[in-house]
Amino acid sequence: QQPVQSPQAVILREGEDAVINCSSSKALYSVHWYRQKHGEAPVFLMILLKGGEQKGHEKISASFNEKKQQSSLYLTASQLSYSGTYFCGTEMEGAQKLVFGQGTRLTINP
Amino acid sequence: GAVVSQHPSRVICKSGTSVKIECRSLDFQATTMFWYRQFPKQSLMLMATSNEGSKATYEQGVEKDKFLINHASLTLSTLTVTSAHPEDSSFYICSAFSGRVGWEQYFGPGTRLTVT
Repeated sequence: QQPVQSPQAVILREGEDAVINCSSSKALYSVHWYRQKHGEAPVFLMILLKGGEQKGHEKISASFNEKKQQSSLYLTASQLSYSGTYFCGTEMEGAQKLVFGQGTRLTINP
Repeated sequence: GAVVSQHPSRVICKSGTSVKIECRSLDFQATTMFWYRQFPKQSLMLMATSNEGSKATYEQGVEKDKFLINHASLTLSTLTVTSAHPEDSSFYICSAFSGRVGWEQYFGPGTRLTVT
């Protein structure tokens, strides 16, 4: 079952913050976040495992709420290089494969 | 991070011909490789899971006789699109999994297939 991402698209000015959500109707083992620029392969950002954890990577962090089966990606003080489409990939326990959301297109303007 | 390569990056073929796409993990051994298909402005759709030395596991709705997958070694998987048709035109991306804890998938740069 494909996870649902929201919003579908967001436009920011450089320096603003953004939150991208990923929700699943199924119990999840892990959530993976990727960023893809046009015509390129997705680039790995981070993994969150069940147990409800948070992770940070420079100005990009994420959380995983196991009770709600929801993960959120936080982008603070956005930079032009953050532009792209963000995908969450969800894994159910024992599945050993990812199902990706429909993507959130992030545009950062100067 | 780990490096995954794909070849070719772009291919144009005529309807009815077959095309082979290679996916290589360059600096690690990949116990599992995945093949995805992506249409413009859409999500990554998993086609099949490829494990070294065993038959690929195809997702529902993917024709295994049309999309032949071979995982010949721990560093190489190939996808052959047989008797290609214009509707097979798409962006095909592979990813490789090293088997480490947390199992990050590392994606190749993708192959743009155009069938005329």
